[in-house]
Amino acid sequence: KAGVTQTPRYLIKTRGQQVTLSCSPISGHRSVSWYQQTPGQGLQFLFEYFSETQRNKGNFPGRFSGRQFSNSRSEMNVSTLELGDSALYLCASSWTSPGTDTQYFGPGTRLTVL
Amino acid sequence: GENVEQHPSTLSVQEGDSAVIKCTYSDSASNYFPWYKQELGKRPQLIIDIRSNVGEKKDQRIAVTLNKTAKHFSLHITETQPEDSAVYFCAASMGGNEKLTFGTGTRLTIIP
Repeated sequence: KAGVTQTPRYLIKTRGQQVTLSCSPISGHRSVSWYQQTPGQGLQFLFEYFSETQRNKGNFPGRFSGRQFSNSRSEMNVSTLELGDSALYLCASSWTSPGTDTQYFGPGTRLTVL
Repeated sequence: GENVEQHPSTLSVQEGDSAVIKCTYSDSASNYFPWYKQELGKRPQLIIDIRSNVGEKKDQRIAVTLNKTAKHFSLHITETQPEDSAVYFCAASMGGNEKLTFGTGTRLTIIP
């Protein structure tokens, strides 16, 4: 079974631009979570989607948004990029919920904001 | 919301010795506690998890203990090997449809 995939793997943007990241979960998984990983901050939860609905949300500004499609693929968007948005963005999928099922991570998208 | 604290942030251990990483959580309703290992340049991977109805779980050289009264849980790695060098993250969740809250990670270095 194919694992979680993310595209693109690397991105370089400038301040003020916007970016869209994509995540394809493991086949059959309906829950997709997004995390921001920076040195020293660990894995900061952005949001979680289940059946095309945002079920949980972390403490990030409204510039961070996401959506999930009927095939469970998910995208996250960051508008008006800031230097501090430079990070590794990880998505993870699970059967129904990360609170009960094993969560599998993708390889991440490394975003650099100049 | 849930808050998870993890200590130490870095840990160096002689090969063959044991390593212990500790986490505390704030919400007594939390009932699921996974541990993830992230090797350099790789994605985090689940290595062991425990649910609140048990106090200890073992898998070969890895064990996790849970103290619900004190709201803390620990990862124990025995007979450490060079391939154990990685960043380890603990996490907690209240289960159901709740999210996972992660600790800030422990960088474990095994000294040959």
